[in-house]
Amino acid sequence: SQTIHQWPATLVQPVGSPLSLECTVEGTSNPNLYWYRQAAGRGLQLLFYSVGIGQISSEVPQNLSASRPQDRQFILSSKKLLLSDSGFYLCAWSVQGALQETQYFGPGTRLLVL
Amino acid sequence: GQNIDQPTEMTATEGAIVQINCTYQTSGFNGLFWYQQHAGEAPTFLSYNVLDGLEEKGRFSSFLSRSKGYSYLLLKELQMKDSASYLCAASPEYGNKLVFGAGTILRVKS
Repeated sequence: SQTIHQWPATLVQPVGSPLSLECTVEGTSNPNLYWYRQAAGRGLQLLFYSVGIGQISSEVPQNLSASRPQDRQFILSSKKLLLSDSGFYLCAWSVQGALQETQYFGPGTRLLVL
Repeated sequence: GQNIDQPTEMTATEGAIVQINCTYQTSGFNGLFWYQQHAGEAPTFLSYNVLDGLEEKGRFSSFLSRSKGYSYLLLKELQMKDSASYLCAASPEYGNKLVFGAGTILRVKS
């Protein structure tokens, strides 16, 4: 069966510091991968998605970036965090080419920027 | 543009039935998803509709009307553990992306 991991679970960082969040998927090959952010009481905002190694699409302009160095690894980064980057970051995967494109979410990383 | 509307909050009594509505306006349509999200946790997949009609899964059912851009999630025999946020999401076109509503917080009271 497939599993998706994210770490760290929680993170408190000062404004201006760098960020690296990691997501890995097990039990599947060539998945679509996604990064979402959820602000308190808000819906999910798609930040990035990837259909393959090195292929990243950005959905919103921001100071975040994403990379996919391996098939089942997706990394979210920032060089300098802003207060507005606080939120719940969720990684998700889906089967590429499936008719029903269900996305399955990892446990999330709660980020607080102070 | 893409727009998903659902009520912000609902309250219902344990053992009752509740219907959570969702309307969508998207540039294309390839299916409608419902997710459940407990506080502080990740969303979990509940249901998927692509054709008109009702899909039943135990206590949960989901309905879709493509012509009206409308869906609902029906929860029967409510339990306290059903207290959660319910997210409606539309796939605007074939090819990976979902557009999520802000979620409906359901509170189940005894």
